[in-house]
Amino acid sequence: AAGVIQSPRHLIKEKRETATLKCYPIPRHDTVYWYQQGPGQDPQFLISFYEKMQSDKGSIPDRFSAQQFSDYHSELNMSSLELGDSALYFCASATKNIQYFGAGTRLSVL
Amino acid sequence: GQNIDQPTEMTATEGAIVQINCTYQTSGFNGLFWYQQHAGEAPTFLSYNVLDGLEEKGRFSSFLSRSKGYSYLLLKELQMKDSASYLCAVSHSNYQLIWGAGTKLIIKP
Repeated sequence: AAGVIQSPRHLIKEKRETATLKCYPIPRHDTVYWYQQGPGQDPQFLISFYEKMQSDKGSIPDRFSAQQFSDYHSELNMSSLELGDSALYFCASATKNIQYFGAGTRLSVL
Repeated sequence: GQNIDQPTEMTATEGAIVQINCTYQTSGFNGLFWYQQHAGEAPTFLSYNVLDGLEEKGRFSSFLSRSKGYSYLLLKELQMKDSASYLCAVSHSNYQLIWGAGTKLIIKP
């Protein structure tokens, strides 16, 4: 069965650079979530989309933005990167209240 | 406030049974989830309880008592590959997930 696909799997950036993470949800799932997870921490909710409209916002910095496109894929745009942005970024797609996670993008900011 | 508590770490023996408890206090409740997460990997969905009682799925079972704000994940016939973190999460009023900090389960031969 198709799973949530995220790209890239690994990304290395320098401070003040920008990064774009992509997420392709499971077909026919109506909701997409973005999470940030630091080492040893639980996932921190950033933002979600329901049927391509932003549905909820969590602890997403103003430097970050996201959108969901007509083909349902979503992108998380991160600007003015800081060392503290180094983390695993997960996308999850959901239907009937169950979230399925992609493999994540490991972002390292040097 | 929103609060989910689960033990930080547990140790069990291969072939044995282990129960990981989770207690929660949240505004609104739309179900409780258990996820498994190996280090550096994505959380993998294990179970979903929205009504009281036991849900069994192979070696894994999950129990919910809404009146007590309590759930447990029961793992039977433990295998070395079950060594992972187990995250309890509650879906609250706007269907966002509130996550526990996770229980690191260590399986010994």
